[in-house]
Amino acid sequence: AQTVTQSQPEMSVQEAETVTLSCTYDTSESDYYLFWYKQPPSRQMILVIRQEAYKQQNATENRFSVNFQKAAKSFSLKISDSQLGDAAMYFCAYRREPNTDKLIFGTGTRLQVFP
Amino acid sequence: NAGVTQTPKFRILKIGQSMTLQCTQDMNHNYMYWYRQDPGMGLKLIYYSVGAGITDKGEVPNGYNVSRSTTEDFPLRLELAAPSQTSVYFCASSPQWGRTEAFFGQGTRLTVV
Repeated sequence: AQTVTQSQPEMSVQEAETVTLSCTYDTSESDYYLFWYKQPPSRQMILVIRQEAYKQQNATENRFSVNFQKAAKSFSLKISDSQLGDAAMYFCAYRREPNTDKLIFGTGTRLQVFP
Repeated sequence: NAGVTQTPKFRILKIGQSMTLQCTQDMNHNYMYWYRQDPGMGLKLIYYSVGAGITDKGEVPNGYNVSRSTTEDFPLRLELAAPSQTSVYFCASSPQWGRTEAFFGQGTRLTVV
């Protein structure tokens, strides 16, 4: 069975600095998708970034980028130039390809951003 | 564009009561899901559906039932509510092909007392 592990329950960063959130996963599949979701206090689940396993290039969305290490089954999220609005819970999630399966979530990392 | 709509946003139930959490999506997505999120935890899958008339159990289905009579709607039924069902419930949907991320509703905070 696939599992997703986030080993950092809480992280903190100062405004304008860079922080990296860790995620590892376990799967025997070769085709899959990985996601980072953000959950602010409003509870809404917001997609931050996604990575297709068949792509070697790391995904980037503005200040958010990932370090995808397929062999190591690692998928970390880097937030550059952190902003106060980045404070939230961040969840790593896995979904195998094709789209016949459900999203599996990690337990989350709470990110605090200090001015 | 409404996306995924859940009702109600908050509810307090007494032990043994029943209720239905409503979920509807207007994106014509085949896949729909119900997750629960306990305090400080990630989301756990309760039930999911790959299309109208088809449902399947997730990780934590006990105490819940679902139905999927239309593509748009995927209600979650709680029978005989228990304190262990106090949680935040999220409905989500995703298309079968193309974009693969799930779109989430705003969540329902349920307290069983």
